[in-house]
Amino acid sequence: GNSVTQMEGPVTLSEEAFLTINCTYTATGYPSLFWYVQYPGEGLQLLLKATKADDKGSNKGFEATYRKETTSFHLEKGSVQVSDSAVYFCALNAQGAQKLVFGQGTRLTINP
Amino acid sequence: DAGITQSPRHKVTETGTPVTLRCHQTENHRYMYWYRQDPGHGLRLIHYSYGVKDTDKGEVSDGYSVSRSKTEDFLLTLESATSSQTSVYFCAIKGTGQETQYFGPGTRLLVL
Repeated sequence: GNSVTQMEGPVTLSEEAFLTINCTYTATGYPSLFWYVQYPGEGLQLLLKATKADDKGSNKGFEATYRKETTSFHLEKGSVQVSDSAVYFCALNAQGAQKLVFGQGTRLTINP
Repeated sequence: DAGITQSPRHKVTETGTPVTLRCHQTENHRYMYWYRQDPGHGLRLIHYSYGVKDTDKGEVSDGYSVSRSKTEDFLLTLESATSSQTSVYFCAIKGTGQETQYFGPGTRLLVL
């Protein structure tokens, strides 16, 4: 079946550090891939997405590239801020499906 | 922001009592979803709807039922709440031909 695996959290970094949150997936065909972010006490918000191989999604300084050969969609940011502290979810929408499959989430804390 | 509201936002109830959570949208989107969020599990799909009176089960549907009598409302019912249903419940919506889901603010449910 379809599944998403994220790196174990929590992740704690200092402000201005480089961030990588790993995400790998298992799916048949060509899924679309997503990163959602959840700030404390809120619902999930779409952060970025990519719909085909080699596409790069980007938003708010975050980037992720759809790598079909490694079945990965790692989230990166060059210089994190305290305001980036949140839980980050990787997800996929299998080709032709109407449902998202989520990873378990990675809690990120940025210290000043 | 997508027009999605959830009610109630917080609820405390006792084991064995029925509970109904409501999701309301103003976007006229065809698809609506109910998820639960638990530590270590990410978001798991309970039920979803692809139109008025059209619903289907997700991966954790046992103990839950849903109804959709109008496009804008999607109700989740716990017929007899159990402590294992203590969780945060999120509703999401999606338009036809789209892949991105938009999430509501969540309902925090505690079953004592």
